[in-house]
Amino acid sequence: NAGVMQNPRHLVRRRGQEARLRCSPMKGHSHVYWYRQLPEEGLKFMVYLQKENIIDESGMPKERFSAEFPKEGPSILRIQQVVRGDSAAYFCASSPERVEYGYTFGSGTRLTVV
Amino acid sequence: AQSVTQLGSHVSVSEGALVLLRCNYSSSVPPYLFWYVQYPNQGLQLLLKYTSAATLVKGINGFEAEFKKSETSFHLTKPSAHMSDAAEYFCAVRGGTSGTYKYIFGTGTRLKVLA
Repeated sequence: NAGVMQNPRHLVRRRGQEARLRCSPMKGHSHVYWYRQLPEEGLKFMVYLQKENIIDESGMPKERFSAEFPKEGPSILRIQQVVRGDSAAYFCASSPERVEYGYTFGSGTRLTVV
Repeated sequence: AQSVTQLGSHVSVSEGALVLLRCNYSSSVPPYLFWYVQYPNQGLQLLLKYTSAATLVKGINGFEAEFKKSETSFHLTKPSAHMSDAAEYFCAVRGGTSGTYKYIFGTGTRLKVLA
């Protein structure tokens, strides 16, 4: 039973390029969450998605960031025109319908903007 | 608003010594509380969770934590540190005003185990 799969593990982008981060939830999980971990900080909530719906994007920066979770395929976090400040570890988590007992994190994508 | 404070960004203990990592929370409603461990360049692994069933919670790898409402604390302990415990530990709260799905994480405590 594979866990939450994120790819790539490491991503290097030049300033101004686009970054696409992928997350495949655990089998049977229909809820996906994205968190960002800046250097020397804890994880911060970004967005919560269900299939084809964004439920809560209150933690997403207003510009350049978007997320989707299509009916088929992985969830995608897209960052357009990346800047140095976007360098961070981005973690995805998934859960089944009942979330009260916590969810499972992936190993993260470490984005470096040069 | 809910919040989590982890006292001490770095903690060093000798191998075999007691591990104590501190976490205090702020919540206006009964919270769910979690401890996660993160090894270098890896994701977060759940150590244990408090969901109001029992105040003393036992987790994996010999760790446990006690929920103390009067002190708004959820400190993580392990009687005897092992070299493999060296990692970063995060306390998190979920529920209440932040929503049932949104975690609020502390800034982490990096544990170093000395031989």
